[in-house]
Amino acid sequence: EVQLLESGGALVQPGGSLRLSCVASGFTFNSYAMSWVRQAPGKGLEWVSATSNTGISTYYADSVKGRFTISRDNSKNILYLQMNSLRVEDTAVYYCAKDISSGWFDPWGQGTLVTVSS
Amino acid sequence: EIVMTQSPATLSVSPGERATLSCRASQSISSSLAWYQQKPGQAPRLLIYGASTRATGIPARFSGSGSGTEFTLTISSLQSEDFAVYYCQHYKNWPPLTFGGGTKVEIK
Repeated sequence: EVQLLESGGALVQPGGSLRLSCVASGFTFNSYAMSWVRQAPGKGLEWVSATSNTGISTYYADSVKGRFTISRDNSKNILYLQMNSLRVEDTAVYYCAKDISSGWFDPWGQGTLVTVSS
Repeated sequence: EIVMTQSPATLSVSPGERATLSCRASQSISSSLAWYQQKPGQAPRLLIYGASTRATGIPARFSGSGSGTEFTLTISSLQSEDFAVYYCQHYKNWPPLTFGGGTKVEIK
């Protein structure tokens, strides 16, 4: 069974940093691109970042470019999202998702909550 | 950036009735469209990809259609477990990937 388990969400002050992790199991991790998608409280879905299966290629939404960094450790089956210079508007549940084929996702993890507040 | 617009925002339907959800892309995306279902407190679940192909384990009452800029998700006979929020998402010429704002299907 494919499983994605996120962790690392927390309450952080504006300007602070946080690193999210997503542990993958049940599939050949290094064969798939992966993405992070977030959902602000009561709002819709927003794609944040993606990485190729090797980690060589990375992509970002304009809203996080220059502040967030996606990476992966294929030896440990873990996807990361390093978030710096956090803003109040980054408050959301962050999901990691397995990219089946060039941009659609199945499955998604259960999410981890990031709250940016003073 | 391709903008995805879903309508209506809320759809009130009685159990057993048919539900028709719409999704429009701001430019042609061919058939590069996915639909997801999200229930309260849960992660999204893939329903449809390639505009019309059901994902593994998705009941046949869910069907997708359309191409270009106009797409439809149809639930032929609503079951109690189908009341949820539905999102469309394009995957043509990205980044960025973008989602529609969602359609909430509620009990009438």
